[in-house]
Amino acid sequence: DAKTTQPPSMDCAEGRAANLPCNHSTISGNEYVYWYRQIHSQGPQYIIHGLKNNETNEMASLIITEDRKSSTLILPHATLRDTAVYYCIVIGIQGAQKLVFGQGTRLTINP
Amino acid sequence: DAGVIQSPRHEVTEMGQEVTLRCKPISGHNSLFWYRQTMMRGLELLIYFNNNVPIDDSGMPEDRFSAKMPNASFSTLKIQPSEPRDSAVYFCASSLARTRGREYEQYFGPGTRLTVT
Repeated sequence: DAKTTQPPSMDCAEGRAANLPCNHSTISGNEYVYWYRQIHSQGPQYIIHGLKNNETNEMASLIITEDRKSSTLILPHATLRDTAVYYCIVIGIQGAQKLVFGQGTRLTINP
Repeated sequence: DAGVIQSPRHEVTEMGQEVTLRCKPISGHNSLFWYRQTMMRGLELLIYFNNNVPIDDSGMPEDRFSAKMPNASFSTLKIQPSEPRDSAVYFCASSLARTRGREYEQYFGPGTRLTVT
């Protein structure tokens, strides 16, 4: 599975869009980009995933570059409850369902 | 609808004692995962089941750890004997791995915080 690189921490003002980058330059054609987050003292929470096209759901948007070497998770109107560690995970559809969580990005939403 | 349910939420035990952690996955899900999280090692997959059958237990640290899934609605993770280095938060997760591309959409429980003294 491809390795990902994320900034260790980011800050964002409440009400603004939070844009979390992820580099995955070694991603292969059959690998998905998954995003999870973990709020303090809770279990990880699935956010969104994509293969090639941009995706949007009720929680966030996922923008994947055309060459698929990087992606951005967008929280359109961040709230204090979005403060969490965000994990970008690249995993192949032929894999054995083993999500590997790296260090992620610690996002702090400031009032 | 109920999410993944884990019990107990907190467990404090003495070294050498047996510890049993329990998990009830989301109804209808066919895959179940046990993870362990520590500050030093982060979040690690211990074992996962598909249709109640253990598929990969390569993450189980040693023979002191065992996991069972007797039916689709219940799983246990047992540590016997427990050691202080087993202190961690243990998460159970479940998924419905039938839709292509959604195989890794897992839903986590609140975790069990285990402290071994």
